[in-house]
Amino acid sequence: DGGITQSPKYLFRKEGQNVTLSCEQNLNHDAMYWYRQDPGQGLRLIYYSQIVNDFQKGDIAEGYSVSREKKESFPLTVTSAQKNPTAFYLCASRPTGKSTEAFFGQGTRLTVV
Amino acid sequence: GNSVTQMEGPVTLSEEAFLTINCTYTATGYPSLFWYVQYPGEGLQLLLKATKADDKGSNKGFEATYRKETTSFHLEKGSVQVSDSAVYFCALNDSGGSNYKLTFGKGTLLTVNP
Repeated sequence: DGGITQSPKYLFRKEGQNVTLSCEQNLNHDAMYWYRQDPGQGLRLIYYSQIVNDFQKGDIAEGYSVSREKKESFPLTVTSAQKNPTAFYLCASRPTGKSTEAFFGQGTRLTVV
Repeated sequence: GNSVTQMEGPVTLSEEAFLTINCTYTATGYPSLFWYVQYPGEGLQLLLKATKADDKGSNKGFEATYRKETTSFHLEKGSVQVSDSAVYFCALNDSGGSNYKLTFGKGTLLTVNP
C-alpha cells in the first residue's frame, strides 16, 4: 500500500543531543513538508521541499535542518540549537498541482529530557 | 501573505446536534481550500476539498462551500456523532506559480458527548 511513514512514533532524547526524525513516502510525490504541532497552536511549518536536492525554510526553521537526497525521503534533524524541541512532528507529502491535497504521516512525538 | 482564520474552540456538542465550524481566508489569486481532521495521537487526514468558487466539498456527512465573495469555507454537519470528536483544520494551497507552501488554520477541537 502507498503511504507516508514516520518513525519512530515516540522518541526520547537528552537535552543537547541532535536527533533525526525519519519520513519516507512511496507515493511518488514531489513536495514534502515538516510541521511542528504544539497544544493550542495548530501546525507550524518548519521546512518544505518541492524537488530533490532543494528545500526552503518555513516559519520556524531555526534549530532544525533537513536534506532531500532522494524523492522518497525527507529526514528532519532537531539540533541542540532548538530551544524547545519537545513537540509532535508531522511529515506530509503532496503531488504537484494547486488542487492536490497533502498526505500526512502518523507523526513522531519527541520528548527531550 | 496567505492566512486562514478558523473559529476558536473547543466546541462541545451533544450527539445529533448541528455543527458549524467557521473558516475564512486571505489569499492572492484563487486558492484551493481543504478541511482536514486529526484524531488523537494521529496525523491529519483529508476530510473534503473545493478547488474553485461555489464548489461544494462533501464527505461522511460533512459539507463546505467555497464562497469567494465572503472568502469563507465553513464546515457543517447536520447530525454529529461521538466518533466525530477530533481536531478540524481549515487549509489552503497557494494559488499557483512554483510555491507549494500550504497554509493551515490553528485547528478547532470538537467534542461530541453521547
